[in-house]
Amino acid sequence: GQNIDQPTEMTATEGAIVQINCTYQTSGFNGLFWYQQHAGEAPTFLSYNVLDGLEEKGRFSSFLSRSKGYSYLLLKELQMKDSASYLCAVMDSNYQLIWGAGTKLIIKP
Amino acid sequence: DAGITQSPRHKVTETGTPVTLRCHQTENHRYMYWYRQDPGHGLRLIHYSYGVKDTDKGEVSDGYSVSRSKTEDFLLTLESATSSQTSVYFCAISEGGTGADTQYFGPGTRLTVL
Repeated sequence: GQNIDQPTEMTATEGAIVQINCTYQTSGFNGLFWYQQHAGEAPTFLSYNVLDGLEEKGRFSSFLSRSKGYSYLLLKELQMKDSASYLCAVMDSNYQLIWGAGTKLIIKP
Repeated sequence: DAGITQSPRHKVTETGTPVTLRCHQTENHRYMYWYRQDPGHGLRLIHYSYGVKDTDKGEVSDGYSVSRSKTEDFLLTLESATSSQTSVYFCAISEGGTGADTQYFGPGTRLTVL
């Protein structure tokens, strides 16, 4: 079967750095996506990785290792507004997105 | 902003009644999707469409049907709602024309079936 695993909840301090991990087992691989979802709102696109390595976009970076079935999202200089759920999704061989259950990130002052 | 709206935004209905949710987009995207989101689960694909009158089933299609008679509208129908269909429903579009591109989401519809 297809499976995406990510921690259920993480806590971090304002101004710090946090890394959210995602491991996957899917039928084929056509890219990995990270989305941010604030409570009661829709998911919004953060990043896309299809090749191994690090993609940096401002305070957010995303890393992919296809051989290990592993990705992480790195958030730097945390702000209170970063409190949200972070969703990992893999596009499989049928070009359908398989989603993890999300990681709820709590930022403390 | 991908120009996606959903209606209604909230709905409470009773078991056994039919319910139709509407997704409307303004940018002529070919691919449209319906997902449901439940606590403890990732987003799960219900149905998707790759063009007018072209639809296919997703992972959790039982109890749902869809129609797409115009590019801009994708309708999700629960023929006879059940309490297990209480959920938040999201519509999404794929920005490219192949279905292999980034998906963008509408604001969601919160459905409660009593």
